[in-house]
Amino acid sequence: DTAVSQTPKYLVTQMGNDKSIKCEQNLGHDTMYWYKQDSKKFLKIMFSYNNKELIINETVPNRFSPKSPDKAHLNLHINSLELGDSAVYFCASSPDRVRNEQYFGPGTRLTVT
Amino acid sequence: AQRVTQPEKLLSVFKGAPVELKCNYSYSGSPELFWYVQYSRQRLQLLLRHISRESIKGFTADLNKGETSFHLKKPFAQEEDSAMYYCAPRRYGNNRLAFGKGNQVVVIP
Repeated sequence: DTAVSQTPKYLVTQMGNDKSIKCEQNLGHDTMYWYKQDSKKFLKIMFSYNNKELIINETVPNRFSPKSPDKAHLNLHINSLELGDSAVYFCASSPDRVRNEQYFGPGTRLTVT
Repeated sequence: AQRVTQPEKLLSVFKGAPVELKCNYSYSGSPELFWYVQYSRQRLQLLLRHISRESIKGFTADLNKGETSFHLKKPFAQEEDSAMYYCAPRRYGNNRLAFGKGNQVVVIP
């Protein structure tokens, strides 16, 4: 009965590769998010989708491309991975754009070597 | 510019001692404020929201509009309170949460 799930939990890859992280929520929420948590535990929003529509797009390299096939899924694809992309990526969801209590996934620890 | 400040990165307290995590914000209008907690190797989870005015796990937080603060307090720290705590305000009607840099709390037995 996991509310927000992410796969994979760990991802180790080499520079230059392309990888995807998947996120699914079974809460019936309309809004989903991607956050990046760096080595200093600083949490920064990257993207947000509401009903499959992009509503927040922070200053993120265009190597990062979110995709929302339906409102229960928000995937993150990263092209040409760089060392600085190493971080923990958290997916989250909230009921809608106004009711903003966010539920987080377990995180995906990405290590780029 | 909208900003949230959590001044102390690391806070060590003895078990049974009071703990206070400071959060100051600079937002126009009336923001909604949250505290999130992240236990070791776990997901972030909501701890408190100011509109609920509730106490969760012994923690309380009062919104002080005059001082633009939303400090988190607990009178007697427990070992299981060791975690990372994030203050997160957002403007009403805006779904963007702005997380502070977080406070690492270590409760010493």
